[in-house]
Amino acid sequence: DGGITQSPKYLFRKEGQNVTLSCEQNLNHDAMYWYRQDPGQGLRLIYYSQIVNDFQKGDIAEGYSVSREKKESFPLTVTSAQKNPTAFYLCASSINRGGLAGNTIYFGEGSWLTVV
Amino acid sequence: QKEVEQNSGPLSVPEGAIASLNCTYSDRGSQSFFWYRQYSGKSPELIMSIYSNGDKEDGRFTAQLNKASQYVSLLIRDSQPSDSATYLCAVKIGDDKIIFGKGTRLHILP
Repeated sequence: DGGITQSPKYLFRKEGQNVTLSCEQNLNHDAMYWYRQDPGQGLRLIYYSQIVNDFQKGDIAEGYSVSREKKESFPLTVTSAQKNPTAFYLCASSINRGGLAGNTIYFGEGSWLTVV
Repeated sequence: QKEVEQNSGPLSVPEGAIASLNCTYSDRGSQSFFWYRQYSGKSPELIMSIYSNGDKEDGRFTAQLNKASQYVSLLIRDSQPSDSATYLCAVKIGDDKIIFGKGTRLHILP
């Protein structure tokens, strides 16, 4: 099946640890995104990438890092510098070509990160 | 800072009535607008996209766009209890990123 796969679904992090959230898509989409959602809040953009080997900071990039070595993959690392990482993390992708309809983004099922 | 604004709600609507959700955006150059529905604990799912001024209908849903007023809305006709969710408005900024409003919580009253 085509789609966006995020793993793990639930992750617990100890203070001072780095953790990496995986995001893989087999939709042949060019653009990929990471959003963070806190309880009762909207989505805030962390990082996004429109092509392989290139990515841009979103509105809340501090304490996070990404890579885009393959078109299908866009992992997010939550570093120890992120002081309040407990949240729901959503990966998304879009075709990003073929006109305005290519702007539509589709989401994975999300990953819940909790600091213990 | 480009922004997307929504009333957080909750918006309570009787079953069978029309629910009206509103969104304003700050980037006058935006051309792509989206409505997503999100159930508690789940990821957002696309309801509709709209790119041109006017109305776009899909089943019980109608999206309305007014670029001059920088305003986009979503109407849900014949509201059902299963429509109870948070509705997120999203806007593509230039050729670049997509940003979201904080969402409106909708409660359909049986």
